[in-house]
Parts: sequence; C-alpha cells; structure tokens
Amino acid sequence: QQQVKQSPQSLIVQKGGISIINCAYENTAFDYFPWYQQFPGKGPALLIAIRPDVSEKKEGRFTISFNKSAKQFSLHIMDSQPGDSATYFCAAAFTGGGNKLTFGTGTQLKVEL
Amino acid sequence: GAVVSQHPSWVICKSGTSVKIECRSLDFQATTMFWYRQFPKQSLMLMATSNEGSKATYEQGVEKDKFLINHASLTLSTLTVTSAHPEDSSFYICSATPRTGVGETQYFGPGTRLLVL
Repeated sequence: QQQVKQSPQSLIVQKGGISIINCAYENTAFDYFPWYQQFPGKGPALLIAIRPDVSEKKEGRFTISFNKSAKQFSLHIMDSQPGDSATYFCAAAFTGGGNKLTFGTGTQLKVEL
Repeated sequence: GAVVSQHPSWVICKSGTSVKIECRSLDFQATTMFWYRQFPKQSLMLMATSNEGSKATYEQGVEKDKFLINHASLTLSTLTVTSAHPEDSSFYICSATPRTGVGETQYFGPGTRLLVL
C-alpha cells in the first residue's frame, strides 16, 4: 500500500513535444506529491509538487495534474527540450509520516532533436 | 537555494573495510536528514531517517549495525558502511530538510558512489 507506481519506464519525445509521465498510488493518506528530476551521477532535484486540494499546478513548462478519485497524478513537460533529458521520479508523503518520501520507479526521458 | 554536499563523491574500498560518507547542509540547519540507496537504473530506497541528537530510525530490512548513522549537528550527518562487501556497492544519497512537516522540501546531495572490491 506504500507503493507508488510510475509509467512509462522510458520515454522518447521529439524536441518541442509534450512529455507525459504518470503515477498511481494506493495509500489514501498520502497528501503531498512531488516530482524530482535526476541527471546521471547526481542527486534528485525538486521540480514541482502538489497537494490534493488542487487538481492542477503549473510552473513554467512543468504541470502536475492530480486526480484524487482515481489516485493518480501526472507530470506534463511542455515544449520538451534536449536539456530535459533525465530521469524523473514521482514521490508521495503523508502528514505524520515524518516527511518520508516514497518514490516511484522512475522514467528515463530522452528528448531528441 | 539550499545546498547539500556529500563527501566523498566516490570511493573504492576493499571488502571488509569500513567507509564513512558525510552529508552537510551548507546554508541551513537540517532538522532531519535522510539516507537513500540507489542501484543503477532503479529508484531511491530510503534507508534511514536521522534527527539531530537522536538515534536514527531505520527502514525495515536495513541493518542498523552495518549502516551506522550519526547526526552529530544540525548541519552534519554521517553514514558509515561497516565491513563493506561487494553487494554494498551502490549510489548513496542523502537529503536534508530544515523542518519536519510533510511537504517541506527535501534538498538532496549529489550522491556518493561506493565500489567495494
């Protein structure tokens, strides 16, 4: 019940296209959903995060869509660029959980010219 | 932005030796630090949570006598891999947060790659 399922495992998108990564969770106690970007050999960096009281959050080219009833959330990268090529992780945490993050399995994104 | 450093960035050691990895928050006081382990092309697996001045809390399946964690100050936590073996070879990443509430951003270090021969 603590798992966060992420798909696809890998994704190839043309430059300028939209990259979409999906995550699903089971634990309804989760109330914080961040997305992290990780480049090879580096630690993850927070991209954007959402709480369940909103259905969408946008920051620049990155948008999170959240569907509470379906227990799903997704990351949309608009106008994808080669510099966006990285591994993306969704994660979830819940109040009272000590801010521990449960990470998804990761999506390796490659943006081609 | 908040910066977390790790030292060393990579280390090679012989089987049976111990290795210490440092995690420092450079521009903020970290109430809580987390230690993760990541195998190639896999997700981050939380190993333990450490709070300054108290014993670390280990996740299920993580040997606390093998992975010693010390959070001696609000800016420094150390992970010691004792009697390392080849199966301990991995990418170890720490994160730090200035506050403990859910939703408080975790700032990740750049990671330490450990290779045990």
